[in-house]
Amino acid sequence: DAKTTQPPSMDCAEGRAANLPCNHSTISGNEYVYWYRQIHSQGPQYIIHGLKNNETNEMASLIITEDRKSSTLILPHATLRDTAVYYCIVTAYTGANSKLTFGKGITLSVRP
Amino acid sequence: KAGVTQTPRYLIKTRGQQVTLSCSPISGHRSVSWYQQTPGQGLQFLFEYFSETQRNKGNFPGRFSGRQFSNSRSEMNVSTLELGDSALYLCASSLGDGSNQPQHFGDGTRLSIL
Repeated sequence: DAKTTQPPSMDCAEGRAANLPCNHSTISGNEYVYWYRQIHSQGPQYIIHGLKNNETNEMASLIITEDRKSSTLILPHATLRDTAVYYCIVTAYTGANSKLTFGKGITLSVRP
Repeated sequence: KAGVTQTPRYLIKTRGQQVTLSCSPISGHRSVSWYQQTPGQGLQFLFEYFSETQRNKGNFPGRFSGRQFSNSRSEMNVSTLELGDSALYLCASSLGDGSNQPQHFGDGTRLSIL
């Protein structure tokens, strides 16, 4: 699986957009970008994933660059409850390779 | 639809004992994966079961084992517990059919070894 690089932490003001970057310069053509977050004392929560097109769901938007070497997770209107560790994971998720390799993630702090 | 359920939520054991943790996947999910989370090592993959067979395995000693039942429920067992086994053990389920549908996690079992 390709390795990802995320800054260790960032903060944003409540109500503003939070843009969380991720570098994955060695990504392969069949690898997807997944985002999870983990709020203290809970299990990781799936947010969104994509291959090469931008994706949006009720939680967030995922913007993947054209060369697929980096991506940005956007939380459009951050709330205090969005304070968590966010993990960017790249994996070729096939039926026989369902392992997720977590890095250290980025700690997002949303301030009032 | 009910999420992934892990029991118990908290467990305290002493060195040398063994422990069994349980995971009930989301209805319809046939793949169950187990992860260990510690402050030092982060989240690490233990193993994955699909249709009652271990399909993928991480780099953990043989003291860590698991199984899956015909209803897709899974258990993991740790024998001869060591202090370093203190961790949050997480279970995740997915369809497992290669369709790139995501894994969904439970809230884990926090195991403390005294």
